[in-house]
Amino acid sequence: DIQMTQSPSSLSVSVGDRVTITCQATQDINTYLNWYQQKPGKAPKLLIYGASNLQTGVPSRFSGSGSGTQFSFTISSLQPEDIATYYCQHFDDFPFTFGQGTKLEIK
Amino acid sequence: QVQLQQSGPGLVKPSQTLSLTCTVSGGSISNDNFYWNWIRQSPGKGLEWLAYIYYSGKTDYNPSLRSRLSISMATSKNQFSLNLTSVTAADTAVYYCARAVYGYHYFDRWGQGTLVSVSS
Repeated sequence: DIQMTQSPSSLSVSVGDRVTITCQATQDINTYLNWYQQKPGKAPKLLIYGASNLQTGVPSRFSGSGSGTQFSFTISSLQPEDIATYYCQHFDDFPFTFGQGTKLEIK
Repeated sequence: QVQLQQSGPGLVKPSQTLSLTCTVSGGSISNDNFYWNWIRQSPGKGLEWLAYIYYSGKTDYNPSLRSRLSISMATSKNQFSLNLTSVTAADTAVYYCARAVYGYHYFDRWGQGTLVSVSS
């Protein structure tokens, strides 16, 4: 199975910060990567698909980039409602696997 | 707006079978643009994809659980279901059903989640 490693695992942030999360795959996955946001007690919500494509209805402060084995996810100016845990997920082949998550906390 | 509604017990005894159902509303489970998945989340293993089923009946399973998993669909009821046999405490998790877009493989609709505890 392809393993996905996110960093950092947690991050203390302030409103207005630029936030960047990275995700590394154990093998080349092209741009077959998605990003999700999860708030406590809720299901994950799709934000970015295909490494850099913004899902319909998702604010433009969210973006993604990368290919191969190295990917990044950025929030350009953190808003209070962005406090959540973020996950990457590859779809190069089954079984699809997720990163372990990056939890954003208010500083 | 497509919605996924999960049902099933929140408590299962060790060695028994965990059974969950996901009812899809606002769209057809037979739509060939989508396939239907189960994913679970536990503190120890994070998010783990378990299985999918396509309208044609094609299925696939996570190899780590393949011998214990079964996914099925009832098109007349617009439902799909998951069975996990011989459960142990390690199977305690929040289980989600989710829709994936065929060809793009992102999960764009999710059920509400069901916390299933394995305990005697």
